[in-house]
Amino acid sequence: GNSVTQMEGPVTLSEEAFLTINCTYTATGYPSLFWYVQYPGEGLQLLLKATKADDKGSNKGFEATYRKETTSFHLEKGSVQVSDSAVYFCARPPPGGSYIPTFGRGTSLIVHP
Amino acid sequence: DVKVTQSSRYLVKRTGEKVFLECVQDMDHENMFWYRQDPGLGLRLIYFSYDVKMKEKGDIPEGYSVSREKKERFSLILESASTNQTSMYLCASSLYGRAERAGELFFGEGSRLTVL
Repeated sequence: GNSVTQMEGPVTLSEEAFLTINCTYTATGYPSLFWYVQYPGEGLQLLLKATKADDKGSNKGFEATYRKETTSFHLEKGSVQVSDSAVYFCARPPPGGSYIPTFGRGTSLIVHP
Repeated sequence: DVKVTQSSRYLVKRTGEKVFLECVQDMDHENMFWYRQDPGLGLRLIYFSYDVKMKEKGDIPEGYSVSREKKERFSLILESASTNQTSMYLCASSLYGRAERAGELFFGEGSRLTVL
């Protein structure tokens, strides 16, 4: 199959705490992997991506490493800010023969001052 | 930068009305998508289009239709709006078809529709 599984939220943290949002995928080939962020009232925007195993994507202090052995692409940030409060989606390209990427359900992050 | 523009950020319609949601992208992308987003349900694909006049049903096409007469424009139509179609609607486009980067989508800001 072709699926992406994210940890359920909401994740509630205090400012400057360490963040991990788990994402695992089913391994049909070695696809690119993506994290999207959706700030309140807005559409999704690409946060970071990794195109092959052992790649690390990074942006805005967020990082995710594509780990083939565990089929995971966990999102991390060392010190979250209130402005990071958003919904985060993990995604992978479609399986062979399809145009439709697969998204996780999304994980809501709430950061308190 | 790629820009995906949705015509209305907020709409309020009455049950039974015909509703048009318009989406325009400016980067010559082949693929365009309409999703709806509801709390706890993530993104659900309504329809997508991989070329002009080409469309395919997604996971929840019932009650919706689409139109893609020009490459840059993808319209979502609710023929007779119902209260259970109250939702956030997101349009997206992508350059890549079946390639490795086909998960790289560009989204509009969303259209929040309320049906009374």
